[in-house]
Amino acid sequence: GQNIDQPTEMTATEGAIVQINCTYQTSGFNGLFWYQQHAGEAPTFLSYNVLDGLEEKGRFSSFLSRSKGYSYLLLKELQMKDSASYLCAVRVTGNTPLVFGKGTRLSVIA
Amino acid sequence: SAVISQKPSRDICQRGTSLTIQCQVDSQVTMMFWYRQQPGQSLTLIATANQGSEATYESGFVIDKFPISRPNLTFSTLTVSNMSPEDSSIYLCSVDLGMTPTNYGYTFGSGTRLTVV
Repeated sequence: GQNIDQPTEMTATEGAIVQINCTYQTSGFNGLFWYQQHAGEAPTFLSYNVLDGLEEKGRFSSFLSRSKGYSYLLLKELQMKDSASYLCAVRVTGNTPLVFGKGTRLSVIA
Repeated sequence: SAVISQKPSRDICQRGTSLTIQCQVDSQVTMMFWYRQQPGQSLTLIATANQGSEATYESGFVIDKFPISRPNLTFSTLTVSNMSPEDSSIYLCSVDLGMTPTNYGYTFGSGTRLTVV
């Protein structure tokens, strides 16, 4: 089966940097996605990695190492509005639906 | 990027009844996906809705409980049948629009928050 692991909860301080890790063991790999989900809302796309390395988009960056089955999402200059769940998801093949990890609930405190 | 309209946004239903959730996309897509998100949990795939063929269900989900229709390339419905309180959840439709510089594949509808009493 497919397995995607990420921490259940994290807490960080406003203005700080936080790294959310994700490890995966899947039968194939065709891309890794990070989504943000605020309580009661649908997930929204944050980042996508299919090749090794770092992808940067403003305050958010995502890193992928395919050989290690590892990714992280880096959030800089944390704001209170960043308090949300962050979902790591893998596309196993080009035509299959995303497989999601259980999500990491991030709380940003003053 | 495409727009997905999902309705109803929420409903409170009596046990034993059924609810049909609709998902409309403003562009044609080959596959549409239905996910369930139970309270405090991540997304679990229910089934893949293919136009012109029967839906493909994941382990633990059956057609009698979650019948799906896909009459054309822009529309799908998911019915939650004979509901029980354990079906209380958020149901989300999703589509894969492929990868372009402005669209990174999966987009979700706004979700249907179902409470069964």
